Amino acid sequence: GEDVEQSLFLSVREGDSSVINCTYTDSSSTYLYWYKQEPGAGLQLLTYIFSNMDMKQDQRLTVLLNKKDKHLSLRIADTQTGDSAIYFCAVFSGGYQKVTFGTGTKLQVIP
Amino acid sequence: DAGITQSPRHKVTETGTPVTLRCHQTENHRYMYWYRQDPGHGLRLIHYSYGVKDTDKGEVSDGYSVSRSKTEDFLLTLESATSSQTSVYFCAISESKYEQYFGPGTRLTVT
Repeated sequence: GEDVEQSLFLSVREGDSSVINCTYTDSSSTYLYWYKQEPGAGLQLLTYIFSNMDMKQDQRLTVLLNKKDKHLSLRIADTQTGDSAIYFCAVFSGGYQKVTFGTGTKLQVIP
Repeated sequence: DAGITQSPRHKVTETGTPVTLRCHQTENHRYMYWYRQDPGHGLRLIHYSYGVKDTDKGEVSDGYSVSRSKTEDFLLTLESATSSQTSVYFCAISESKYEQYFGPGTRLTVT
């Protein structure tokens, strides 16, 4: 089955850019997502990208997809303390709407 | 926010007792999912449903059963709880490939 890997922790200073990385194994993955989880809450979709795209930008968020290397990244510009959360990469590869989630990256923003 | 509620929100139970968690939606979405979240593992799919009375296993289904007798309700049952089932359980719903909406989670502790 699909395997999705992320580093567990990232620390950045307020105002800097954050880059969260993700690798996946299934080259037939069609939709790739980034979710955000704040403490004590469920996951909330931040953005998604189709496999036929290389980049998607949405305000402070930029998603880059390298299909050859099966690598997905999320860049947050001008990181704020409110961005502190766990960020999950997720991949859809077909079937009954089944999505595989990564382990999550905890982003700590230092004031 | 999508109309998803989970009950109970917190539960402490003893090893060997049966436990049922409830997920209720008001969105009339076709697909419903149960995940567990554990440190270092991200979210793992337990069971999912693609319609009333239509369910299937996810990657960590052993020790769990589900039922969906109405569109709005998806029940997760631990027939005989074990300490390894201590976790945070999330319900999610979806109607498309683009987004899953998550409930607030249930924290289950098995002593």
